[in-house]
Amino acid sequence: GAGVSQSPSNKVTEKGKDVELRCDPISGHTALYWYRQSLGQGLEFLIYFQGNSAPDKSGLPSDRFSAERTGGSVSTLTIQRTQQEDSAVYLCASSFGQGDTQYFGPGTRLTVL
Amino acid sequence: GQSLEQPSEVTAVEGAIVQINCTYQTSGFYGLSWYQQHDGGAPTFLSYNALDGLEETGRFSSFLSRSDSYGYLLLQELQMKDSASYFCAVRLNAGNNRKLIWGLGTSLAVNP
Repeated sequence: GAGVSQSPSNKVTEKGKDVELRCDPISGHTALYWYRQSLGQGLEFLIYFQGNSAPDKSGLPSDRFSAERTGGSVSTLTIQRTQQEDSAVYLCASSFGQGDTQYFGPGTRLTVL
Repeated sequence: GQSLEQPSEVTAVEGAIVQINCTYQTSGFYGLSWYQQHDGGAPTFLSYNALDGLEETGRFSSFLSRSDSYGYLLLQELQMKDSASYFCAVRLNAGNNRKLIWGLGTSLAVNP
């Protein structure tokens, strides 16, 4: 079956612009996660959705970052007024509600000029 | 706070055995996972330990000691393709919030 997909794969934007990153999780997975990974660094947790529960937004670095998940499936991460320090690979993962294994998408490489 | 410690870099030769350690200090603990990430790729799941002891999957094994807040990933018969970053991650609880806390990763270089 299809894995986690993300779009776009690459995004170059100018400082101050807004960007939207999309994640399509594996069908039937109730948990969805967003991470950020800077070059050569570990994974930085951003936000977590589990079913119909309120999302865990504890990792969002500022109020310029927001995410939503529509219909319990597709998720969009929005970064407003992008800054150069937002440049990173943004990874999405999903997992089946009862399990622990997270399946990652290929990521979106964001470059803010 | 939550913290996981693992070495930043490890180097080994083909055919050798390497052990990547992970110690953790977290507010809860339900299990320890290991993920592999090749350069430019996405992390992929390797193993999960919820109970003390050794879990073996082919050339890779993972060990957990809950009393020592410690685990390791053991890679045997190293191959060049094992060159990658390896992350340990702690699952905090069994409840609805199944967020993982991640280590910073260990970069493994396998040389001929």
